[in-house]
Amino acid sequence: DSGVTQTPKHLITATGQRVTLRCSPRSGDLSVYWYQQSLDQGLQFLIQYYNGEERAKGNILERFSAQQFPDLHSELNLSSLELGDSALYFCASSVGQGYNEQFFGPGTRLTVL
Amino acid sequence: KNEVEQSPQNLTAQEGEFITINCSYSVGISALHWLQQHPGGGIVSLFMLSSGKKKHGRLIATINIQEKHSSLHITASHPRDSAVYICAVIYNQGGKLIFGQGTELSVKP
Repeated sequence: DSGVTQTPKHLITATGQRVTLRCSPRSGDLSVYWYQQSLDQGLQFLIQYYNGEERAKGNILERFSAQQFPDLHSELNLSSLELGDSALYFCASSVGQGYNEQFFGPGTRLTVL
Repeated sequence: KNEVEQSPQNLTAQEGEFITINCSYSVGISALHWLQQHPGGGIVSLFMLSSGKKKHGRLIATINIQEKHSSLHITASHPRDSAVYICAVIYNQGGKLIFGQGTELSVKP
């Protein structure tokens, strides 16, 4: 158990809908990272937050947004969902904002029908 | 061409064999992660290293910064080692990980 929690574990929804994925980092970790794992693209970095502020952005679509709250949990919002958004979404946390070891949550499996 | 290349992509071994998975990257990095992903999907961090060698149980990871290359070794492999092993690098700009395509390892009893 990495200490990083993600909810829900599974999510099935329809095209055009909006969902929210939640992540709680390990105790003491200030950075949260979101990653997407799809069959055709593999693992890709989406976005990083550090202590409530956005620190880095990767291949995140405009339909997707995220935030980190004062209690350090983070939410990833996916809207106007398309079939291609079906993937595993992982969050990871680390102590700092640079090259610290990252610890991964169990992931949320999103299926868009 | 991917920024992070792993080889082999697939590997089948007999229980007890010594296994090596390789990772090459194209530009200078701050650190490198080796990750393990089991069929259930969860990702476990095995090592993070920026120089030299680290050992944990039957797992050994090495990195050569000059050659831009890292290896993950598994000694006395066991069927429970069957998983996908992923190399991921961190560049100087920050903490985001850039992933290799993964090596799927199957260890037969």
